[in-house]
Amino acid sequence: EPEVTQTPSHQVTQMGQEVILRCVPISNHLYFYWYRQILGQKVEFLVSFYNNEISEKSEIFDDQFSVERPDGSNFTLKIRSTKLEDSAMYFCASSEALRSGETQYFGPGTRLLVL
Amino acid sequence: AQSVAQPEDQVNVAEGNPLTVKCTYSVSGNPYLFWYVQYPNRGLQFLLKYITGDNLVKGSYGFEAEFNKSQTSFHLKKPSALVSDSALYFCAVMDSNYQLIWGAGTKLIIKP
Repeated sequence: EPEVTQTPSHQVTQMGQEVILRCVPISNHLYFYWYRQILGQKVEFLVSFYNNEISEKSEIFDDQFSVERPDGSNFTLKIRSTKLEDSAMYFCASSEALRSGETQYFGPGTRLLVL
Repeated sequence: AQSVAQPEDQVNVAEGNPLTVKCTYSVSGNPYLFWYVQYPNRGLQFLLKYITGDNLVKGSYGFEAEFNKSQTSFHLKKPSALVSDSALYFCAVMDSNYQLIWGAGTKLIIKP
């Protein structure tokens, strides 16, 4: 069964450093998402992406964040200058379509720790 | 604003007994409701969803969920729990921008 994959599984970085989290969505999916979960808090939507453009973004997704589809398979989330409060589990997801009730399939997550 | 509540942080059930994990929601418009499960060191795995139609939705691993519009609930159920069902369960509602709004999660512990 096709799966969303994410690398790395864990990343430790120093405050102020740039990090890139990578995701390979399910191959026939066209819509991609990033969510995050700070320890002890709810999962939060960050951004959705389609056709090389951001479709929606939350208030969390400020100028420090960017997303890219650099090639036909990868989907990346870049945090330009990490802050302590960026420490969280980051989940990538993909879906076939963008419509009400469409299932989003999630990867295993990248645990980011900012020191 | 749309929201999801999972009133129980943890549910303990003996193996072989029925289980229920509760979820209530608040939405404007039609609710599109989801259950996901997270096993240790694994991602969020889709279990089932309600879009329209039958109020009882069947999903993976023998789970089902009952949509109740009057009570704005979407409780997850299983007739006979297995130890391997022990995991973290998340209820979510999709908003009009196709974003998932999540509950806080419920830890399900099945004791042998």
